[in-house]
Amino acid sequence: AQRVTQPEKLLSVFKGAPVELKCNYSYSGSPELFWYVQYSRQRLQLLLRHISRESIKGFTADLNKGETSFHLKKPFAQEEDSAMYYCALDPGDTDKLIFGTGTRLQVFP
Amino acid sequence: KAGVTQTPRYLIKTRGQQVTLSCSPISGHRSVSWYQQTPGQGLQFLFEYFSETQRNKGNFPGRFSGRQFSNSRSEMNVSTLELGDSALYLCASSRTSLSSYEQYFGPGTRLTVT
Repeated sequence: AQRVTQPEKLLSVFKGAPVELKCNYSYSGSPELFWYVQYSRQRLQLLLRHISRESIKGFTADLNKGETSFHLKKPFAQEEDSAMYYCALDPGDTDKLIFGTGTRLQVFP
Repeated sequence: KAGVTQTPRYLIKTRGQQVTLSCSPISGHRSVSWYQQTPGQGLQFLFEYFSETQRNKGNFPGRFSGRQFSNSRSEMNVSTLELGDSALYLCASSRTSLSSYEQYFGPGTRLTVT
């Protein structure tokens, strides 16, 4: 079955500390993977997708097919990074996204 | 450019009634997808439309239906409402080109079933 697992409901770090938000997926084919972010009282928005291989707001994510992981990383967290982060998988070429349960990132000053 | 809009933003219905939610995508976006968000189940895919055709459907009962119009606006309908249908319903519009991918979510419609 297709599944996305985000093992941490809450991740708390201090400003300037490195951040890694974990995401593991279960899918037998070649998925497309995404990270979404939702800041307080704002809309859900696309942060990055693995196929783009880009860094957005200092965040990067590498697809590891061997470990079926797509962890989101940032070397130095900022207070404005505090938000809810969702990992998602698209098993096909349509927008049928399978979301993880999300991880709330809290960055303390 | 204008973002994805959803109407109404809030809705209260009673069990057994039906409801229609509307989503207007960003201009030029032909794909619209719908999601249900609840505290218990999280974000779940409902369906996706592209050029008036349903391309994909999630694991929801037949009471949930949708359609897309020629201007890409989309509606979803839930008939015979149940308490468990209380949720935030999100729509997203997207556009894919050879070199880029755009996707934007609307603010959602919060449906409360009493």
